[in-house]
Amino acid sequence: DIQMTQSPSSLSASVGDRVTITCRASQSISTYLNWYQQKPGKAPNLLIYNALNLVSGVPSRFTGSGSGTDFTLTINSLQPEDFATYHCQQSYSSPLTFGGGTKVEV
Amino acid sequence: QVQLQESDPGLVKPSGTLSLNCAVSGYSISSTNWWSWVRQPPGKGLEWIGEIFHTERTNYNPSLKSRVTMSVDKSKNQFSLKLTSVTAADTAVYYCARVGKQYCSGDTCYSVWFDPWGQGTLVTVSS
Repeated sequence: DIQMTQSPSSLSASVGDRVTITCRASQSISTYLNWYQQKPGKAPNLLIYNALNLVSGVPSRFTGSGSGTDFTLTINSLQPEDFATYHCQQSYSSPLTFGGGTKVEV
Repeated sequence: QVQLQESDPGLVKPSGTLSLNCAVSGYSISSTNWWSWVRQPPGKGLEWIGEIFHTERTNYNPSLKSRVTMSVDKSKNQFSLKLTSVTAADTAVYYCARVGKQYCSGDTCYSVWFDPWGQGTLVTVSS
């Protein structure tokens, strides 16, 4: 199985900050990497697919980048509604696997 | 607008069978999409359980394959999950989700995502 490692596991930030979350794969997954946002008590919500493609309706302050084994989710000018947990997920090979999550806190 | 809703089995006894349904509304389960189950133990990360197509083709996570069965009921526009021989380690929030796929060659698709998800249902394994 491909292991997905996110860092940090949690971070503290303020409204207006730029936040960067990293996801590393245990082997190359090309650009087959997705990002989800999950708020407490809610289901995950797809933000970005194929490493850099923003889902329709997702604010442009979210950007994804990377290829191979190293990927980044950046949130520019953090908004109050962005405080949540973010998960990465690889789809290069089965079984599909997720990172452990990164909690963005105030 | 597609919506997914998991059933609520609540408490399941150890060594018993966990059974869940996912009702799909606003979208036909017989479309070109696959349908999936993902779980999240309390305070932990997400784990893919498996997926099913309306023709009953399935793909399961090898870590759970021996205990998992998925099925489709096209008349009710829903799909189901059965997990046998459950233990406390199976306590989790279980989500159903529609699967999106791109870049497919034969049975292999390299770009696979989950969107949308059901709200999730907490299943507790306890006597």
